[in-house]
Amino acid sequence: SQWGEENLQALSIQEGEDVTMNCSYKTYTTVVHWYRQDSGRGPALIILIRSNEREKRSGRLRATLDTSSQSSSLSITAAQCEDTAVYFCATDAGTGGYKVVFGSGTRLLVSP
Amino acid sequence: EAAVTQSPRNKVAVTGGKVTLSCNQTNNHNNMYWYRQDTGHGLRLIHYSYGAGSTEKGDIPDGYKASRPSQENFSLILELATPSQTSVYFCASGQGERLFFGHGTKLSVL
Repeated sequence: SQWGEENLQALSIQEGEDVTMNCSYKTYTTVVHWYRQDSGRGPALIILIRSNEREKRSGRLRATLDTSSQSSSLSITAAQCEDTAVYFCATDAGTGGYKVVFGSGTRLLVSP
Repeated sequence: EAAVTQSPRNKVAVTGGKVTLSCNQTNNHNNMYWYRQDTGHGLRLIHYSYGAGSTEKGDIPDGYKASRPSQENFSLILELATPSQTSVYFCASGQGERLFFGHGTKLSVL
């Protein structure tokens, strides 16, 4: 099947827990984006990691990238209720940022 | 903050009818994109553009046309709408590595 066609995965955690979401991509990419989508809205970029980086941090977010296995992860430390959203990874399919394609995504629910 | 505006926000169309979804961006971004998102799924790329006058096929272009008459505007056209095209459509613009999305258009084809 085409990348991104699968159903959203679902994760449910308690506030304060750490969580990691994984993404495997099919083609070479120069960058992996991580987007967050709140209900009823378009996605918004939260962190991106380039192919020459193994790890990137932004606040409570940490992204990793393993180009040899074509996989990336997004971790949230001490998750809060407001982190509840759908999270997607996206790649540029090796086009240098022109053609951006999305993975299937994870629906994260953080409960008090 | 980059602004991407889609119209209409909601649209009900009849099978076989023509539908045009419009997108306007005020950020002078070269690249614009159309995605569809079905309930419980991710975003799939339909068409994209590098600049005025250009359109490129994405991963699921069948049944859709795109038009980029200017830097600011990018339209998605369904010449003969079908119920399988019922979905939420998102437009995005970008220059470099970050995309900015509109709020989406919910299209129902009956």
